[in-house]
Amino acid sequence: EVQLVESGGGLVQPGGSLRLSCAASGFTFSTYWMHWVRQAPGKGLVWVSRINSDGSSTSYADSVKGRFTISRDNAKNTLYLQMNSLRAEDTAVFYCAREAADLFYAFDIWGQGTMVTVSS
Amino acid sequence: EIVLTQSPGTLSLSPGERATLSCRARQSVSSSYLVWYQQKPGQAPRLLIYGSSNRATGIPDRFSGSGSGTDFTLTIRRLEPEDFAVYYCQQYGSSPIFGPGTKVDIK
Repeated sequence: EVQLVESGGGLVQPGGSLRLSCAASGFTFSTYWMHWVRQAPGKGLVWVSRINSDGSSTSYADSVKGRFTISRDNAKNTLYLQMNSLRAEDTAVFYCAREAADLFYAFDIWGQGTMVTVSS
Repeated sequence: EIVLTQSPGTLSLSPGERATLSCRARQSVSSSYLVWYQQKPGQAPRLLIYGSSNRATGIPDRFSGSGSGTDFTLTIRRLEPEDFAVYYCQQYGSSPIFGPGTKVDIK
C-alpha cells in the first residue's frame, strides 16, 4: 500500500524548534518530489516547502523561509521538516504530500498529518 | 503573484442535487496545472481532478472539472452523502497556491 506517515508534532514554546518526519512506503520514494503543506485550525491549505527527488533543490513559502528546512533521506524513505524559531502562527496540522509528475504535478498521496502547536 | 479565489464560500445543497464550484485566478494560469482536492473533517485532502479535467484514480464520474485561463469549475453531477466536504483548487507552480476552499454542506 502506498502510504505516507507523519510524526514529530507536538507542543512547543514560541522560539522553539521541532523536527517533523514523513515515512514513505509502498513506492519508490527516491524518484518523487515531495512537499509539506500546513493547515491552521479551521483554515485552508497552505503550501510550505518542496524538495526534489535527490534533495539537491528546495523551495519555501516566504512565511517560513530562513526558519524551516526541508530535507530527505532516500535510504530511509523519509522526508523531514526542521522548524526553528517557531511562532504562534505556525500552529497547524502539517501534511507531507507526494508530487506526481505523471499527473501534471498534482499531490496524489497525502499523509494523515501531524499537529504542531506553538504556545507558551 | 497568482491568487486563487473560490466561490461560493459555502454551498448548501441536498443529496441528489448538482453542485457547481468556481475557482478563479487573478491572472491566466495553465489548465494543465489546475487541481481540485476534497477534504473531509479530520482527514487529509484527497486528489480529485488534475490537469483541470482529469479524474484521479478511483474518483466517480459524477465529478468533473473544466475551464481554462482564469476560470475553472468543479461540478458534482448528483451529490451523494459522502460528497459533503470542503473542496480546494490548487495551481501548481514555483510556489503552489491553494484557493480558500468551498464548503459543500447539507441543506
